[in-house]
Amino acid sequence: EVQLVESGGGLVKPGGSLRLSCEASGFTFSSHGMSWVRQAPGKGLEWVSSIRIGGFIYYADSVKGRFTISRDNVKNLVFLEMNSLRAEDTAVYYCARESFGTDLWGQGTLVSVSS
Amino acid sequence: DIQMTQSPSSLSASIGDRVTITCRASQTIKSFLQWYQQKPGKAPKLLIYSVSRLEGGVPSRFSGSGSGTDFSLTISSLQPEDLATYYCQQTFTARWTFGQGTKVEVK
Repeated sequence: EVQLVESGGGLVKPGGSLRLSCEASGFTFSSHGMSWVRQAPGKGLEWVSSIRIGGFIYYADSVKGRFTISRDNVKNLVFLEMNSLRAEDTAVYYCARESFGTDLWGQGTLVSVSS
Repeated sequence: DIQMTQSPSSLSASIGDRVTITCRASQTIKSFLQWYQQKPGKAPKLLIYSVSRLEGGVPSRFSGSGSGTDFSLTISSLQPEDLATYYCQQTFTARWTFGQGTKVEVK
């Protein structure tokens, strides 16, 4: 089955860290760029970061310097390392496959930043 | 970053109505424009890519048009299952941006 499954979300205190993982299956993982998109409670979609074919990496200004995206093409995994977390990082984080736009999304993992 | 502005932010229409949502980019994005549908509690679903190309399995009542900076999504005959929020997205630049969303309610 073609799917993406995220994990690693949870409750963390401001200033803390989390590492999100996304496991891909059912397609040739190394042939696709991968992205993270988040959605704060009751809000719209916000692109967070992408790791493209060839290893090109991009971040939204709101997370640059705090978040790091990486991938393991052997294990079909993409990661989002999140440091110095803030209350405004609270959101559902989706992993997404790049094709024309993003044609495959995971179910999302909730990150809550609160003291 | 390119700003994407959708209108309206919400709308209410009757079953069978023709519904149009517009999306304006702050600068040209050529044809790098996608539309997504998101139902409550679910991940977004790609409906249309490259302005007007229908993703596989998407009903033909959905269509997209536009170029440059102005784009639209049309539902030709609104169905109850179309209750959702719709987002446009530009992928012209490496740093993507989404519109703020249009919530479609069925009267």
